[in-house]
Amino acid sequence: QSVLTQPPSVSGAPGQRVTISCTGSSSNIGAGYDVHWYQQLPGTAPKLLIFGNSNRPSGVPDRFSGSKSGTSASLAITGLQAEDEADYYCQSYDSSLSGYVFGTGTKVAVL
Amino acid sequence: EVQLLESGGGLVQPGGSLRLSCAASGFTFRNYAMSWVRQAPGKGLEWVSAISESDDRTYYPDSVKGRFTISRDNSKNMLYLQMNSLRAEDTAVYYCAKESDQGSYSHYFDFWGQGTLVTVSS
Repeated sequence: QSVLTQPPSVSGAPGQRVTISCTGSSSNIGAGYDVHWYQQLPGTAPKLLIFGNSNRPSGVPDRFSGSKSGTSASLAITGLQAEDEADYYCQSYDSSLSGYVFGTGTKVAVL
Repeated sequence: EVQLLESGGGLVQPGGSLRLSCAASGFTFRNYAMSWVRQAPGKGLEWVSAISESDDRTYYPDSVKGRFTISRDNSKNMLYLQMNSLRAEDTAVYYCAKESDQGSYSHYFDFWGQGTLVTVSS
C-alpha cells in the first residue's frame, strides 16, 4: 500500500500547464523529509526528474518544477509537450515504516 | 557515464529462490548506498531493499523482510538481491538504483538500471 497519494491521471492540451499532487502525512512529507519526482516513459526505467522538492538534475527542462508545503508536494509541467506523456511518481522517506515510499503514480496524457 | 546492468531474472516456482545481480560502472561504487526497487506488471513502484556504502547496514520493508537479502561486493562493483520463499506477488520488474542524498532528510535515486523481470508462477 502506497502511503503517498497521487491522482491516477491528469491531462492537458499541448502548451498548457498541469499539476500533479502528492499527499502524505506527518510521518513522511510532514516530518520534513524531502520529496523527489520520477518520470517513467512507456516501457522504460524511471528517471529522476526533481530532487530535494524543487531541484532539477542537469538536462531536465525548466518546464518541470516542484514544490512542497506541509504534508503535500506538487509537480508542475508548463508548456506541455507530447513527449511528456508518461507516468510520474513522487518519493520520500517514512519514519514509521523506516523506509522509502513512492506515490501511487499519475499518468499524464497530452490531448 | 553511470551504468547499472541487472541480470538474473526469470521464471521461478512459488517457494523457490532467485539471485539478482547488478553490475555498476561509471561512478565510485563503494561511495554510494544502493537499493532495489520493483514494479509489478501495470502497477507502481515499490522499494524493496537498501544497503549502505560499506555493507554494514541493510534495510527492508515488511513485505520482503526475512525473505530477501541485499548484499554488495565493492571490489567487483556488484550489487545483489537474494530472493527466497518467492510468492506470486513478488512477480515484477526489479530495478537496481543508485542512491544520492542532500542530507539525512533527502535520499533519492539518481540513476536506475533497465530492470530484470522476475516471474513467480507454477
